[in-house]
Amino acid sequence: QQQVKQSPQSLIVQKGGIPIINCAYENTAFDYFPWYQQFPGKGPALLIAIRPDVSEKKEGRFTISFNKSAKQFSLHIMDSQPGDSATYFCAASIKTGGFKTIFGAGTRLFVKA
Amino acid sequence: GAVVSQHPSWVICKSGTSVKIECRSLDFQATTMFWYRQFPKQSLMLMATSNEGSKATYEQGVEKDKFLINHASLTLSTLTVTSAHPEDSSFYICSARDPGTGVYEQYFGPGTRLTVT
Repeated sequence: QQQVKQSPQSLIVQKGGIPIINCAYENTAFDYFPWYQQFPGKGPALLIAIRPDVSEKKEGRFTISFNKSAKQFSLHIMDSQPGDSATYFCAASIKTGGFKTIFGAGTRLFVKA
Repeated sequence: GAVVSQHPSWVICKSGTSVKIECRSLDFQATTMFWYRQFPKQSLMLMATSNEGSKATYEQGVEKDKFLINHASLTLSTLTVTSAHPEDSSFYICSARDPGTGVYEQYFGPGTRLTVT
């Protein structure tokens, strides 16, 4: 119940394309859903996050779509650039019983120039 | 934004020795810090939650006697890998929560690459 399932494992798109990464969770106690970007050899950096009472959130070229009933959420990257090539992790956080964040398996994105 | 640093950024040690990794919140006080472990091309796995002034809470399967965590102040947590073995080689990442910015947000350090020979 603590798992966050992420797909696809890897993704290749052309510059300007819109990669979409999907995640699903089981535990309805999760109440914060962040996305992180990680470059090789670096720590993850928060990109954008959403609470379950919101169906969509947009920050710059990054958009989260959230479907509470389906327990699914996704990240869309508009007008993708080669500099977006990185590993993206979805996550889910819970504060009941002590704050904890569970990460998805990650998606390696490569944007072709 | 809030900044978290780690030291060292990389370390090589011999099997059987101990290694200490520091995690500092530079511009905020972190009541809670987290330690993660990441193997190549894998996700981050939470090892333990460190609360200032109290004992760390370890995740299932993490040996508390092997991975010693100390959160002595609101800006510093340390992870000591005792009697390190090659299988402990990994990327160790800490994160910290800043209660002043929001209940959920946590900020990650740049990570420490540990190689045990």
